[in-house]
Amino acid sequence: GQQLNQSPQSMFIQEGEDVSMNCTSSSIFNTWLWYKQDPGEGPVLLIALYKAGELTSNGRLTAQFGITRKDSFLNISASIPSDVGIYFCAGISSGSARQLTFGSGTQLTVLP
Amino acid sequence: DTGVSQDPRHKITKRGQNVTFRCDPISEHNRLYWYRQTLGQGPEFLTYFQNEAQLEKSRLLSDRFSAERPKGSFSTLEIQRTEQGDSAMYLCASSLDWNTEAFFGQGTRLTVV
Repeated sequence: GQQLNQSPQSMFIQEGEDVSMNCTSSSIFNTWLWYKQDPGEGPVLLIALYKAGELTSNGRLTAQFGITRKDSFLNISASIPSDVGIYFCAGISSGSARQLTFGSGTQLTVLP
Repeated sequence: DTGVSQDPRHKITKRGQNVTFRCDPISEHNRLYWYRQTLGQGPEFLTYFQNEAQLEKSRLLSDRFSAERPKGSFSTLEIQRTEQGDSAMYLCASSLDWNTEAFFGQGTRLTVV
């Protein structure tokens, strides 16, 4: 089946630093989505990307849809304590398996 | 409409019992997904519906699992003869169509004792 490789698995950063995480796949995706999940809660959608090369921002978050359509990255600028959580990438392909496939997540810890 | 709603939020059941979860998607969303998530892992796809039609089922969905979406609105996921390995967070999501943003509910945490 389709797999998304998400890295890094975890990050420890100082408050105020910028953060970058990415996802890669061997398959082409039509859509990339980035989610944040807090403990015991469902994933919350942060950013949606629909076109290769697209760069989209949502406040301090910026995400890009890779030109090859096989990768995406998420940047968080000037991190704050409430950024703590698990970030997931997810993709939808145009192939027969049109379901949302998730990466394994990046656990972000922001140190004061 | 305030988003995807799941009920119950938590369920504790004895091994061998049947359980049923409900998901109410965002109004007018045609697609509805079920996922399972265990600790430290990303959500794993179980099945999805396009309106009332169940179009795909993962190999994770054993014959003890059944999902329905009558009339293309709310959906139920039933697990029969629960096993300890069924303990997980069960997540429901909905989207307008196959290639649009999917929004998740808060999940149902199942514990099988």
